Amino acid sequence: SQKIEQNSEALNIQEGKTATLTCNYTNYSPAYLQWYRQDPGRGPVFLLLIRENEKEKRKERLKVTFDTTLKQSLFHITASQPADSATYLCALDKGFQKLVFGTGTRLLVSP
Amino acid sequence: DADVTQTPRNRITKTGKRIMLECSQTKGHDRMYWYRQDPGLGLRLIYYSFDVKDINKGEISDGYSVSRQAQAKFSLSLESAIPNQTALYFCATSDTQGANQPQHFGDGTRLSIL
Repeated sequence: SQKIEQNSEALNIQEGKTATLTCNYTNYSPAYLQWYRQDPGRGPVFLLLIRENEKEKRKERLKVTFDTTLKQSLFHITASQPADSATYLCALDKGFQKLVFGTGTRLLVSP
Repeated sequence: DADVTQTPRNRITKTGKRIMLECSQTKGHDRMYWYRQDPGLGLRLIYYSFDVKDINKGEISDGYSVSRQAQAKFSLSLESAIPNQTALYFCATSDTQGANQPQHFGDGTRLSIL
């Protein structure tokens, strides 16, 4: 069956360190993958998109990698700040502009 | 003002009641979606619409119906609510221009069915 896995345990890191979140998938061949941020009581907010032919994408302190052989995407936040604390969701393309979402990983950045 | 507005933000109701959740958008997007979010299950697609005349079932459409009243409005109905429909419901939109467009979400409706 098709599955997307994100670490369900919260990731706790100290301010200034790099946070790395993982998204693994099975039985999908997505043309692209997206990452979203969700704060408590709010809807997800789009952060980055990476296509299957792109190995890496950057936006300010954010970096996403996409390895279609390993079926894995890594999401990095460098020089993390307490304001980066949130839940981060990965979403895979299912075709026809439909996405399938992972359950998300909660990130806690301590001062 | 929010680009994607959901009403109500919170609703508590009883089993068997009919409920309508509303979504309106000012982004001018043709595509609209309804999801529900449950702890440990993530976001799951209920229905989606690619234009006013197009309605499609998602992965969990049983017990729900939708209406696309205009490009800017997409409502979700629970004809006879049951407790396992208690969840956080999100509406989202996306543009049709180009492939791989991100989705833009409202802030959700927290629905509790007693």
